[in-house]
Amino acid sequence: GAVVSQHPSWVICKSGTSVKIECRSLDFQATTMFWYRQFPKQSLMLMATSNEGSKATYEQGVEKDKFLINHASLTLSTLTVTSAHPEDSSFYICSARGTGESYEQYFGPGTRLTVT
Amino acid sequence: DAKTTQPTSMDCAEGRAANLPCNHSTISGNEYVYWYRQIHSQGPQYIIHGLKNNETNEMASLIITEDRKSSTLILPHATLRDTAVYYCIVRVKAAGNKLTFGGGTRVLVKP
Repeated sequence: GAVVSQHPSWVICKSGTSVKIECRSLDFQATTMFWYRQFPKQSLMLMATSNEGSKATYEQGVEKDKFLINHASLTLSTLTVTSAHPEDSSFYICSARGTGESYEQYFGPGTRLTVT
Repeated sequence: DAKTTQPTSMDCAEGRAANLPCNHSTISGNEYVYWYRQIHSQGPQYIIHGLKNNETNEMASLIITEDRKSSTLILPHATLRDTAVYYCIVRVKAAGNKLTFGGGTRVLVKP
């Protein structure tokens, strides 16, 4: 099956710093990637959708200047949390969707961000 | 958006079939029903999806009612490792085929 990886799996950073999370599709080309955020005991919330080579589309209420998304290749998307604050502490999960008729969306293992 | 309604939680016995219901009464004709599950602190795992016909794969079976307003995910022989939150999602083409997660059903498989 299709594999999506994320790096790092967990990260601790100080308030005010920026953190970059990578998402890779390992065995397929992902024309579209999605970034979700999940707070404890809550469901996944879609943050943004990115298509390779295009600007990301952010969901309502998500600050595009704070959560920078780059999808420069068909196998890599990055999410940068800029000027992180403790309230940004969360589980960030990326997802990738391939080309063709199949629209199955495969998810990465997630990155747990803790901002101190 | 077509929304789904699922029970908040359910228990099932190890080795028995687990039947997980989902209501999606506002689903449109070309919208698929997807099922994912999320084991604690992991990313969601794809299980199965369907449009009109019942579907089966190595993980589960999906039964969709004739009017498509509800479906049931069947785990034929539940194991302790099937303990997870199960999400029933309607993929909305008009919304760019995004998968929007609801609350899901927290399934606890007991020995």
